[in-house]
Amino acid sequence: SQQGEEDPQALSIQEGENATMNCSYKTSINNLQWYRQNSGRGLVHLILIRSNEREKHSGRLRVTLDTSKKSSSLLITASRAADTASYFCATDSLGQKLVFGQGTRLTINP
Amino acid sequence: NAGVTQTPKFRVLKTGQSMTLLCAQDMNHEYMYWYRQDPGMGLRLIHYSVGEGTTAKGEVPDGYNVSRLKKQNFLLGLESAAPSQTSVYFCASSPFGVTYEQYFGPGTRLTVT
Repeated sequence: SQQGEEDPQALSIQEGENATMNCSYKTSINNLQWYRQNSGRGLVHLILIRSNEREKHSGRLRVTLDTSKKSSSLLITASRAADTASYFCATDSLGQKLVFGQGTRLTINP
Repeated sequence: NAGVTQTPKFRVLKTGQSMTLLCAQDMNHEYMYWYRQDPGMGLRLIHYSVGEGTTAKGEVPDGYNVSRLKKQNFLLGLESAAPSQTSVYFCASSPFGVTYEQYFGPGTRLTVT
């Protein structure tokens, strides 16, 4: 069963615009992670946010976490063509395992 | 550092055949994981290991076996392949478990006919 559910499933924007992806989950978590997957490649870790944190930044990435609503969002500012990829959230509420959502497919148009 | 490597990159099997996927990491990580990814879906955990000599079942373990005889290697075996096992398989490692990031290999694309 999937713990995280990303929304939207697909997103297409113009280069330079901001992209926002959301993740909702069902049970309490210890932390939430975001990963990027370029086509045909493995996943690459972007940001980890712990349950007692509300916001975290890394370069052009901003992640928020609202544990009361059981949701997180990933904002990519000033998007570039290289940001075209699938983005996954993953939660660790199940002990030693991460549970991944089905992902958001982001396309940046030049 | 090579990070996490997977062998082979591609493989085609006939139903009933067996094979072993090899994952190797050179980061001295304790935790290692095997996932499968099917079209339009996220990753599902097959088996994982919290250290040399240990293995545990994940979300979808049926039809697979694993071994972790050496800390740097994690093997995934299919004893009798089925078409439902057609998927892309990813290995990952982590230094301290799910409270830290996971490092992924490039994947193995397996087709069972």
